[in-house]
Amino acid sequence: NAGVTQTPKFRVLKTGQSMTLLCAQDMNHEYMYWYRQDPGMGLRLIHYSVGEGTTAKGEVPDGYNVSRLKKQNFLLGLESAAPSQTSVYFCASSYSQPGVKMPQHFGDGTRLSIL
Amino acid sequence: GQQVMQIPQYQHVQEGEDFTTYCNSSTTLSNIQWYKQRPGGHPVFLIQLVKSGEVKKQKRLTFQFGEAKKNSSLHITATQTTDVGTYFCAGASGGGADGLTFGKGTHLIIQP
Repeated sequence: NAGVTQTPKFRVLKTGQSMTLLCAQDMNHEYMYWYRQDPGMGLRLIHYSVGEGTTAKGEVPDGYNVSRLKKQNFLLGLESAAPSQTSVYFCASSYSQPGVKMPQHFGDGTRLSIL
Repeated sequence: GQQVMQIPQYQHVQEGEDFTTYCNSSTTLSNIQWYKQRPGGHPVFLIQLVKSGEVKKQKRLTFQFGEAKKNSSLHITATQTTDVGTYFCAGASGGGADGLTFGKGTHLIIQP
């Protein structure tokens, strides 16, 4: 049981390039999330999904797009990378339960540098 | 929007000393979660508190949820080198999937 798997683990991009980060979970979780973590800023929510085919914006969505074509996968896209998007990106997933936010399971992260 | 403040940002302790981190929300929370992130690692769920005034223990860790459900604390007794890392609180208002509001974390540094 792998849990939440993120690929790639590291990536260096040039400004203006595009890329997609992949997140896969094998726990049959309904909810999936993308966060970015910057020094001194904690974890900030980029986008999230409540189920296959549904996505929503989080706290810092600008410059990112997401898709959830399959329940187990959640993709984060950078259309035109900017240095401000240099960060560590974490994917997480959780079960859904009415009235209570369930614990989130995180992947190992993707360390992305934009030059 | 909801804000979750966490203090202190950094805490240096000698091994064997106690450690406490505090979390305060600008709004009443439905529940609060605590996570630990080891250096270079990912956040790992520790515990969830739901009830007003709730206290939970995990070995040397004690978690409290305030009576007004707007604050919480994590206390570690007799720290060990394995406790090194960043401790995050994450507040939630109701259910749904719009994520948790994470505090900025407290970095625990332990000097042997």
